[in-house]
Amino acid sequence: LAKTTQPISMDSYEGQEVNITCSHNNIATNDYITWYQQFPSQGPRFIIQGYKTKVTNEVASLFIPADRKSSTLSLPRVSLSDTAVYYCLVGDIRQGGKLIFGQGTELSVKP
Amino acid sequence: NAGVTQTPKFQVLKTGQSMTLQCAQDMNHEYMSWYRQDPGMGLRLIHYSVGAGITDQGEVPNGYNVSRSTTEDFPLRLLSAAPSQTSVYFCASSYRWQGEYGYTFGSGTRLTVV
Repeated sequence: LAKTTQPISMDSYEGQEVNITCSHNNIATNDYITWYQQFPSQGPRFIIQGYKTKVTNEVASLFIPADRKSSTLSLPRVSLSDTAVYYCLVGDIRQGGKLIFGQGTELSVKP
Repeated sequence: NAGVTQTPKFQVLKTGQSMTLQCAQDMNHEYMSWYRQDPGMGLRLIHYSVGAGITDQGEVPNGYNVSRSTTEDFPLRLLSAAPSQTSVYFCASSYRWQGEYGYTFGSGTRLTVV
């Protein structure tokens, strides 16, 4: 399974765009990139998933360059309620259920 | 649609006791997993299952057993509780092809071993 590296923590202010970058140099051909969000005392929540280029949903955008060795989660105009830990995961989601979490990025949004 | 249901929500055990953490999902998901999360840490995979009758070990399987006799249920058994197993336990489930939905997590079981 590909190892991921992301910043331990980030600070932002309300209304700003936040970009969290994840490094996954050993990503395999069949691997997908998935991001989860976790609030204190809750289970993680799926945010977005992609394979290459750009994926957008109502919550976030995911940018994946051509070499797929990194990915960037973009949260537009964050609010205080976006304060959470964000996890980047890489794996072949079509085979097996082995989903390994890294350390995550603790995002703190300030007023 | 209840999603992933974990019981109990809180539990205190004495060292050496055994217990079963229950996890049930009503979404007909094939994949189910158990994670533990220690304070201030990320999630670590204990065991997972890709379908009824099929289970495999994750990153930290020692001290835990699982079985998957039905698609809906995936109980986690602590054989002889130790203080090191004090943690929050999350169960998760997913379709075989996660697509745009990923894993759905339960609300967790907070376990304290004294």
